Amino acid sequence: DSGVTQTPKHLITATGQRVTLRCSPRSGDLSVYWYQQSLDQGLQFLIHYYNGEERAKGNILERFSAQQFPDLHSELNLSSLELGDSALYFCASSPGTGLGEQYFGPGTRLTVT
Amino acid sequence: EDQVTQSPEALRLQEGESSSLNCSYTVSGLRGLFWYRQDPGKGPEFLFTLYSAGEEKEKERLKATLTKKESFLHITAPKPEDSATYLCASKDYGQNFVFGPGTRLSVLP
Repeated sequence: DSGVTQTPKHLITATGQRVTLRCSPRSGDLSVYWYQQSLDQGLQFLIHYYNGEERAKGNILERFSAQQFPDLHSELNLSSLELGDSALYFCASSPGTGLGEQYFGPGTRLTVT
Repeated sequence: EDQVTQSPEALRLQEGESSSLNCSYTVSGLRGLFWYRQDPGKGPEFLFTLYSAGEEKEKERLKATLTKKESFLHITAPKPEDSATYLCASKDYGQNFVFGPGTRLSVLP
């Protein structure tokens, strides 16, 4: 158990809908990272927040947005969902800005029908 | 654009048969090279961070090395519980993480 929690575990929704994924980092970690993992694309870095501020953006679509709250938990919002958005979404946390290890959560499996 | 490739795509070993996994990277300004292990349906688990060419790190049966263009993960006398997908990832000075596609390792008893 990495200490990172993600909810929900599974999510099934229809195309065009909007969903919110939630992540609670390990106690004391200030950084939260979001990743998307699909069979054809592998693990793709989406976005990094450090202590409430956005630090880096990867391959995140404009339909997706994220934020980190004062209690350090983070939410990833996915809107206008398409079939191709079906994937495992992981969040990870680290104490600093990622030069060391990242601790990954168990993931949220999103299925868009 | 930063790129990370891994080979082989899949590897089957007998228990005790040592081997190496390769990670090739093209990154302008490498800040760190990371190795992770991922079991099916679970989040990746951190193994190593390497920062500069020539650096080596070891953990149990695993040893990671780094050159200016590649990293190797050497597995000595593997056991069935080492079966997993091994991912490498690079981080550049722009804070961007790029993961490779992974090597699926199966160790047969």
